[in-house]
Amino acid sequence: GENVEQHPSTLSVQEGDSAVIKCTYSDSASNYFPWYKQELGKRPQLIIDIRSNVGEKKDQRIAVTLNKTAKHFSLHITETQPEDSAVYFCAASIIQGAQKLVFGQGTRLTINP
Amino acid sequence: DAGITQSPRHKVTETGTPVTLRCHQTENHRYMYWYRQDPGHGLRLIHYSYGVKDTDKGEVSDGYSVSRSKTEDFLLTLESATSSQTSVYFCAISGTGGLSGYTFGSGTRLTVV
Repeated sequence: GENVEQHPSTLSVQEGDSAVIKCTYSDSASNYFPWYKQELGKRPQLIIDIRSNVGEKKDQRIAVTLNKTAKHFSLHITETQPEDSAVYFCAASIIQGAQKLVFGQGTRLTINP
Repeated sequence: DAGITQSPRHKVTETGTPVTLRCHQTENHRYMYWYRQDPGHGLRLIHYSYGVKDTDKGEVSDGYSVSRSKTEDFLLTLESATSSQTSVYFCAISGTGGLSGYTFGSGTRLTVV
């Protein structure tokens, strides 16, 4: 089955700097790659997703890139702000009925003022 | 927020007792999922449902059963709770074709003592 590895497990950056979180997946049939943000004590919330027919997607300060050949995808956050502090999860699945997302282990991002 | 609620929000139970967690949605989504979240493991799929009375196992299904008698309700049962089942449990829903990713419930923190 699918296996998703996420790095780093913790990341600390200065406010205003960029943050990058990387994930690799094992199943070449996976075609949907969402990213979730989870604030302390809250539910995970979808922040951006990408499908395998697209190499990059942006939404304001966040972007996701996908390299199908290498089977890895990354989350980029620019001009980081204190409210970006949270745990971020990547995931992968095949869009075929039920999604059955397989999640990475999570990255705790801390933005230092 | 999104039309998905979980109950209870917190529960402490004793080893060997049965426990049922409830997930209720008002979105009329076909697909429902139960995940558990543990430090260092991200979110792992326990069971999922693709329709009324249609369920299947996920990655970590041992010790758990599910039922879905109505579109809006998806129940997770721990037949005989063990300390290894102490976790935060999240229910999620998704629409047809995976067009919008998951929407998660607020979670249930279960402690087995």
